[in-house]
Amino acid sequence: DAGVIQSPRHEVTEMGQEVTLRCKPISGHNSLFWYRQTMMRGLELLIYFNNNVPIDDSGMPEDRFSAKMPNASFSTLKIQPSEPRDSAVYFCASSPDRAGANVLTFGAGSRLTVL
Amino acid sequence: TQLLEQSPQFLSIQEGENLTVYCNSSSVFSSLQWYRQEPGEGPVLLVTVVTGGEVKKLKRLTFQFGDARKDSSLHITAAQPGDTGLYLCAGAGGTSYGKLTFGQGTILTVHP
Repeated sequence: DAGVIQSPRHEVTEMGQEVTLRCKPISGHNSLFWYRQTMMRGLELLIYFNNNVPIDDSGMPEDRFSAKMPNASFSTLKIQPSEPRDSAVYFCASSPDRAGANVLTFGAGSRLTVL
Repeated sequence: TQLLEQSPQFLSIQEGENLTVYCNSSSVFSSLQWYRQEPGEGPVLLVTVVTGGEVKKLKRLTFQFGDARKDSSLHITAAQPGDTGLYLCAGAGGTSYGKLTFGQGTILTVHP
């Protein structure tokens, strides 16, 4: 298995632009998570899906952030409009849908820089 | 809100030394995981501990879950430069399935 695949690996954009990050989870994993990592705040859970349905989006910072999972093999995290404080590494992770497993496999991350 | 505090935040040691990283909380977790993250990569799971008092060994790494399931430690014996990285603990529990609470991490540097 190729693992969790994220794209792009690096994104540099200007304030106000729309940013779309993409994730392909491990085949057969039914839970998908979006995390953001910064030096100041560490790893923060933004949103997670189970069977393509958003379960908890309480970590999404504000309305500028949105996430979708149209099918079991693809998810997007969109920021519109982007701001410099959104600069971070965004990770996608997936997990088998087994109660109590909670074992996450992370992608390599998308490093976002908003100028 | 469940919080996990890791200490120390930074650790710089020489090859061959031993070290311990701590992960503490006032909350009880159903399980606790340790991840290791290298620069430019995502965290990779090292171990999951589930039972209070549980000890797991992974080569030179020893993981312990506190009896009350509120804290954990990671001990590395005879550290090597390849152990360098960010070590993260993460607790599972509460009312939301799959929702892990991560500690801030410990950045370990092992000098040759």
